[in-house]
Amino acid sequence: ETGVTQSPTHLIKTRGQQVTLRCSSQSGHNTVSWYQQALGQGPQFIFQYYREEENGRGNFPPRFSGLQFPNYSSELNVNALELDDSALYLCASSSDRSSYNEQFFGPGTRLTVL
Amino acid sequence: DQQVKQNSPSLSVQEGRISILNCDYTNSMFDYFLWYKKYPAEGPTFLISISSIKDKNEDGRFTVFLNKSAKHLSLHIVPSQPGDSAVYFCAASRTGNQFYFGTGTSLTVIP
Repeated sequence: ETGVTQSPTHLIKTRGQQVTLRCSSQSGHNTVSWYQQALGQGPQFIFQYYREEENGRGNFPPRFSGLQFPNYSSELNVNALELDDSALYLCASSSDRSSYNEQFFGPGTRLTVL
Repeated sequence: DQQVKQNSPSLSVQEGRISILNCDYTNSMFDYFLWYKKYPAEGPTFLISISSIKDKNEDGRFTVFLNKSAKHLSLHIVPSQPGDSAVYFCAASRTGNQFYFGTGTSLTVIP
């Protein structure tokens, strides 16, 4: 059983640029959630995708957008990068959209915005 | 708006003793609580959960206690082992898909 994988591991961008982060969910999982973890903070919910549709969104501006593909892998896109977007971005997959289903996290993508 | 708080950034415990990690929340609508453990360069891994209809849940060396009136939960690890050294996050949900995480407590178990 393959776990949750994320790419790239690290990324450096400059302010104003756009970035795409990728996540492959665990086999058999149809739900992917994205989190932003700033330094010294806990993960903050960005949004969740269930069967290719957005299924809830946290307090993040529209320049944070996502996509889920038929194979349930997912992308997080961030436009017009700001310095405060520097963080660890985590994705988590689960077997269903209910919060009672265990979420399995990937190792994260470390984004640095200069 | 930090709805879930872990007020102790770090904790050191001797091997074999009890580790107690605390978490407070403000939203009385939360009905499901979890603890995650995170090692460096890895994503958080699920440790134990508790529903609001219970006040205690045990899994081996790990026990979570929930005090709804105080809006407080705690994780007890007995006996603590050096491999337990990690950052522990508590998280809460209100029957939906969004989890609110605390800021984490770094546990060091001293051999």
